[in-house]
Amino acid sequence: GIQVEQSPPDLILQEGANSTLRCNFSDSVNNLQWFHQNPWGQLINLFYIPSGTKQNGRLSATTVATERYSLLYISSSQTTDSGVYFCAVDMRFGAGTRLTVKP
Amino acid sequence: DAGVIQSPRHEVTEMGQEVTLRCKPISGHNSLFWYRQTMMRGLELLIYFNNNVPIDDSGMPEDRFSAKMPNASFSTLKIQPSEPRDSAVYFCASSGTGVTEAFFGQGTRLTVV
Repeated sequence: GIQVEQSPPDLILQEGANSTLRCNFSDSVNNLQWFHQNPWGQLINLFYIPSGTKQNGRLSATTVATERYSLLYISSSQTTDSGVYFCAVDMRFGAGTRLTVKP
Repeated sequence: DAGVIQSPRHEVTEMGQEVTLRCKPISGHNSLFWYRQTMMRGLELLIYFNNNVPIDDSGMPEDRFSAKMPNASFSTLKIQPSEPRDSAVYFCASSGTGVTEAFFGQGTRLTVV
């Protein structure tokens, strides 16, 4: 089956800093999504992005399907951005990046 | 729409008992997914339904697990008999035609003692 690898596994930032999270996948993709799991365990859909670039406020994402990777950018991070960020390829999840934003 | 609704939110049961988890997908969605989340194994896809038909159940860990979708608005995941290693958070998600954006329920935290 498809392999989904996320990096880095953990990330600690000061409030206001920017970050880039990466998702590599092993096969061609029909569906790629980014999710945020907040500290209460809720999984929130951030982007549906099998290809191209999208932006939503301080967050943006880019998928280069031909090179089998996707990037999630978080700018001007806030403490509420803390949690785990997951990449899901054809609804198979990577291990996630745990982000901690310190005030 | 109220989103994906799962019940119960928490379940504590004794080893050997039958457990049934329930999911109501978003109205109009025709794809439904069941996941199990543990610290050790992360988010595992257990089974995927499309138009109420199981498409991929390769993630179902063993015969003790079964899932049904009798209609477009209801699905169950059953564990019989339950074991302590089944303790986890179980999520249900749904999406529209072609598996576009998926939306998750709030999960059921299962503890088997």
